[in-house]
Parts: sequence; C-alpha cells; structure tokens
Amino acid sequence: ETGVTQSPTHLIKTRGQQVTLRCSSQSGHNTVSWYQQALGQGPQFIFQYYREEENGRGNFPPRFSGLQFPNYSSELNVNALELDDSALYLCASSLDVRETQYFGPGTRLLVL
Amino acid sequence: KNQVEQSPQSLIILEGKNCTLQCNYTVSPFSNLRWYKQDTGRGPVSLTIMTFSENTKSNGRYTATLDADTKQSSLHITASQLSDSASYICVVRSGATNKLIFGTGTLLAVQP
Repeated sequence: ETGVTQSPTHLIKTRGQQVTLRCSSQSGHNTVSWYQQALGQGPQFIFQYYREEENGRGNFPPRFSGLQFPNYSSELNVNALELDDSALYLCASSLDVRETQYFGPGTRLLVL
Repeated sequence: KNQVEQSPQSLIILEGKNCTLQCNYTVSPFSNLRWYKQDTGRGPVSLTIMTFSENTKSNGRYTATLDADTKQSSLHITASQLSDSASYICVVRSGATNKLIFGTGTLLAVQP
C-alpha cells in the first residue's frame, strides 16, 4: 500500500450532477496530482496542487476544479457531469513536484 | 508532440514463461522513465525508474532497459507468475514541463 487513500471507492451519478472526490496524501507529501483513466487507456493528467496552489493543468474544461487543504489532502470537483466523465479517477501524492508519485487506489465514477 | 507508445497492446503467456514489453517515446527533453504495474481497478505502483545515464535496472523478476539514443525502453519479466497479470504502463517525465506522460499500457494475462 502507498499510504494514499481515496474516497469514495465507487460512485454512480447521472448527467448534469456534480461530484466531489477526495484524496488523502501520504504523510509528509505536499504535492497531489489528479488523473482521469478511461477504460483501457493510460491516465490523463487533470491538474496538480503544490502547497495549496494549482501547479499545472491538463486539457480538461473548467468544470473540473480542485483544491488542496492545509494538511495537503485534496478534492476534485466535477460539475455538469457528462457520460464521458465515466472513468477511474486517480490521485497521486509526492514529496515535492519532481519526486516519485505514489498513487491511491482510485475512485471509479459511472455517469448514467 | 510528446508521446509514449507501448507494444504489444495485450499479451497472454503461460505461467513460468518470460516476456518482454516495449515502450517507445518521443518526449524531449527527457528527465526519467518509469514502469508502473496496475492491477485491475487499482492505482499504478512503481516498478523501476531510469534516468538518462542508466541502461539496465532490475527489481526482482522485473528488468528494465533504456536506450536513450533510440528513445526505447523494455520491461522483461522472468518466470512469470499468475500475480503478474496486470496492466504495465510506461511513463516518461518531460524535462521541459516536468509533467508525466503516460503510455496506454500493455495488458498482460498469465495463465496457469
């Protein structure tokens, strides 16, 4: 186990709804990255948070937003859910922005 | 465009046999290359990391090679076990953006 936890493990939503996914980073890690992994694909970078500030963003629309708390845990929020948002959402924490990323088990989101 | 391509897409081998997975990348400049193992529905777990100056690195039955001139890497699995059944993802860190670029993975099934 990497020490990175995510909740919930599974989630079912309908189109147009909003969802919040949570990630607790490994102790001592100040950086959290979020990824979306569609079935049979590699993870796609959503954004990264470093010391509570966004530190880079991938090609995802503004309805994907996030934040990082003072204890370095993080949330991913997705508004106006679409069917294509169905995927495994992974968070990874690291000691710093250039260090090894340790992945959590992921949250599987299904949008109906 | 920075890309990471893996082959084969999927592979079935018998328990006890060896196999080799390939990764070709166009990411430049290159910082490091990492192989991850991802069990179904779980987060990726790092197997090896290689920098520009390293040609070979082993982790138990896993041996990774890197040819930075041809931008190719391979992951060799020796004496496969049923628990090796997973997706193996090649990830390259860009030296320019510091971002991780993921391959789509090779799905390995080890049969008894």
